[in-house]
Amino acid sequence: DVKVTQSSRYLVKRTGEKVFLECVQDMDHENMFWYRQDPGLGLRLIYFSYDVKMKEKGDIPEGYSVSREKKERFSLILESASTNQTSMYLCASKTENTGELFFGEGSRLTVL
Amino acid sequence: QKEVEQNSGPLSVPEGAIASLNCTYSDRVSQSFFWYRQYSGKSPELIMSIYSNGDKEDGRFTAQLNKASQYVSLLIRDSQPSDSATYLCAVNRDDKIIFGKGTRLHILP
Repeated sequence: DVKVTQSSRYLVKRTGEKVFLECVQDMDHENMFWYRQDPGLGLRLIYFSYDVKMKEKGDIPEGYSVSREKKERFSLILESASTNQTSMYLCASKTENTGELFFGEGSRLTVL
Repeated sequence: QKEVEQNSGPLSVPEGAIASLNCTYSDRVSQSFFWYRQYSGKSPELIMSIYSNGDKEDGRFTAQLNKASQYVSLLIRDSQPSDSATYLCAVNRDDKIIFGKGTRLHILP
């Protein structure tokens, strides 16, 4: 069964803290994605990775970085969290043949 | 113009009727198109994908694609209360999957 696992469902951090959001997939997919979802704004692409150590900026990369050291793991990093990064963060991996995205359960981050 | 546009709704449809959801996209080179359903508090899940012009049917769901008009739609026949959710249109652009803001659908019992 397909599985994308996000390490934390709920996090509360303070402004200026460094935040790591981890995502692991067990489907051997090459493509992985990080989105944030906010009311009224929908799902917005932050970064995606098409191979180990390879990454591309999405539509809203400012304030974020990513790491993909192993194929199964894609991490989102907030170097210095700010209140406007309070959001639901969704990780997904993509099948190469159909393009279908499989999502994790999401990580709800609150920055105080 | 937004890359993928949807009417945010809510769209209210009586149970048993046909729900029609629409989506337009701006990038003509887009090749793959998807409809995801998202229940409140849950992650999106794929319900339909379509790659060529015309209709594609899967059970009560029909996706329609018109590349000339840059238009994708989703029809849900015999709407059920369990269809109440937000429906997200997505487009594959250069391996990036870009989403519209979603349409909230409410099926009236």
